Formats: sequence, structure tokens, C-alpha cells
Amino acid sequence: AQSVTQPDIHITVSEGASLELRCNYSYGATPYLFWYVQSPGQGLQLLLKYFSGDTLVQGIKGFEAEFKRSQSSFNLRKPSVHWSDAAEYFCAATYNNNDMRFGAGTRLTVKP
Amino acid sequence: DTEVTQTPKHLVMGMTNKKSLKCEQHMGHRAMYWYKQKAKKPPELMFVYSYEKLSINESVPSRFSPECPNSSLLNLHLHALQPEDSALYLCASSQDGTLAGVYEQYFGPGTRLTVT
Repeated sequence: AQSVTQPDIHITVSEGASLELRCNYSYGATPYLFWYVQSPGQGLQLLLKYFSGDTLVQGIKGFEAEFKRSQSSFNLRKPSVHWSDAAEYFCAATYNNNDMRFGAGTRLTVKP
Repeated sequence: DTEVTQTPKHLVMGMTNKKSLKCEQHMGHRAMYWYKQKAKKPPELMFVYSYEKLSINESVPSRFSPECPNSSLLNLHLHALQPEDSALYLCASSQDGTLAGVYEQYFGPGTRLTVT
């Protein structure tokens, strides 16, 4: 069955430290991949997407993600985390517009 | 303008009430979606409208009734809800909802629904 897995439920990093959030997908072929961020009580904001081409994708707010076909992964990274990055992060995948599947989410806490 | 708006922001309703949630976008998108999100869980797809026609209904109970009056508006009519229906209801839109391609979805801020 098609699924998206985010192995880390909660991650805490210090402000200024680097960040990597993991995402693995289980699909027959490579799906379209997304990272969204959700602040408490808010909707989801798209950080970046991978459809094809360059496997290193740049997004908003200084985030980037790397697609690795061999590992079925699409990990999100940021070189230096800011306190405002504290939020819930969702990885998502789909083959078409009508079946977006989200991972369980990773909650990021930023220590001062 | 990449904004999806939702009203109301919060809604408290009794199990015998009838209420509606409203979603609006002015990006010219032709696909609109309703998602339900329980606390500390990912969003779950409920309905998809593509070119104002319901294309996906993920086996949602009939107490939820979607309506798409035009390409910019999406409503979710609520009737005889249960306490377990309390959740954040998110609306999203994308450029197209057909199988011709994949487009990112833009989400609204959601309506926090509490059923008492």
C-alpha cells in the first residue's frame, strides 16, 4: 500500500543548529513529493516540492530537501534553525491530485 | 494572491444543529478539497471537487454534505454531527484536479469545529 513515513515524532534542536527531518515513501514508482509546515492552529504552508529533475530542491524560508531514489527518501534540511521554525512538519506524496497522502508529522521544538 | 480563506475561524455546535463552513479562493484554481485534521494527526482527505464536480468522496458520513456553487467557493454543510467530528477542517485548492498533472495544494487556515 502507498504510504509516507516520518520516523521522528518530535525533534528538539537549539537555535542556530542544523536540522534534518526524515521522510520515507512506499510507492510502486516515484511519486510527487512535498513538504508542508503547520504552525499551531493554522493551515498548511508549502515549503517545497519535488516533481522531477534536480534531486536537491530549494524551498522557502531557507529550507531544502534532497530526493534519494535508492533510499525512497525525501529529507528536509535547514542549515541554521530559527525560533520561528518551531512547528509541525508534514511530508506528503501523491501520484495525482486526488490522493495526497501525508506522513504522521514531526513536531519541531527550538531551544533558545 | 495565493490565499485561501475560510469562515468561520471557530465554530461550536450542538449535535442537533445545522451549520456550514465556507471556503473561498481567487487564484483561478479549478480543484478544491476538504480535509479533516484531528489533533496531532495529519490531514485526511474528505472531498475533492474538480471543475465544480464532486470527483472524490472518501466514504465520508452523510452528515457532511459538500457543495461547490462555483469555481471559487466551496461549502461544507454539517448536520447531526457527533462529538468525535470535532476537528480542524481544512480547505485547499489547486490549479487542476484532473489526472492530467499534479499541482501543489494551497491550504486555508482552517475552521476549528467543536461538537457538544
